[in-house]
Amino acid sequence: AQKITQTQPGMFVQEKEAVTLDCTYDTSDPSYGLFWYKQPSSGEMIFLIYQGSYDQQNATEGRYSLNFQKARKSANLVISASQLGDSAMYFCAMREVPYSGGGADGLTFGKGTHLIIQP
Amino acid sequence: DGGITQSPKYLFRKEGQNVTLSCEQNLNHDAMYWYRQDPGQGLRLIYYSQIVNDFQKGDIAEGYSVSREKKESFPLTVTSAQKNPTAFYLCASSTGIAYSPLHFGNGTRLTVT
Repeated sequence: AQKITQTQPGMFVQEKEAVTLDCTYDTSDPSYGLFWYKQPSSGEMIFLIYQGSYDQQNATEGRYSLNFQKARKSANLVISASQLGDSAMYFCAMREVPYSGGGADGLTFGKGTHLIIQP
Repeated sequence: DGGITQSPKYLFRKEGQNVTLSCEQNLNHDAMYWYRQDPGQGLRLIYYSQIVNDFQKGDIAEGYSVSREKKESFPLTVTSAQKNPTAFYLCASSTGIAYSPLHFGNGTRLTVT
């Protein structure tokens, strides 16, 4: 079973509108972290925002916010006032932290959403 | 500026040849990672290393090998045993703390014909 599911392969949005990119995850660990990355056509992966499973408040970073609904295992990325430069692939990722601790295990990524902002 | 350098950006090889992809970081990070990305797919973990002289297999390690002789370097060798080596390869590093993000290099696009 997929651990990270992104159900929107592609999205077209008008410039200046808000965008919500969906992400659901599957884990039985109580401790985990959720990450969102942006990948422009040039290929580099840009870290956008992080949400911990024990965080009480939704994470925000500038125009990015994370709508975290723990009971639904959902971690949607919201981009406010979209810009042409927001056109890119967006990936949701998770790191599970077992009881034994540690943190250097890799992230598990979803398949991504291709966002295109139209003028 | 601190960062992760992958070289070369594009690499072409003939089938049956081994090829080594370079990854260097000057972020003083303990952990390093190699991911593979195929068109329309997310990233899949090949190998990771939490500390010098130690590394673990990821989800798709078959046909690949790595070494971690120095903290700042984590080269990936794509061997002739890898059945479908043509892909985009991304190297990353992190502090190794549980909730720290991965920082990525710009990637190497490998084409094997």
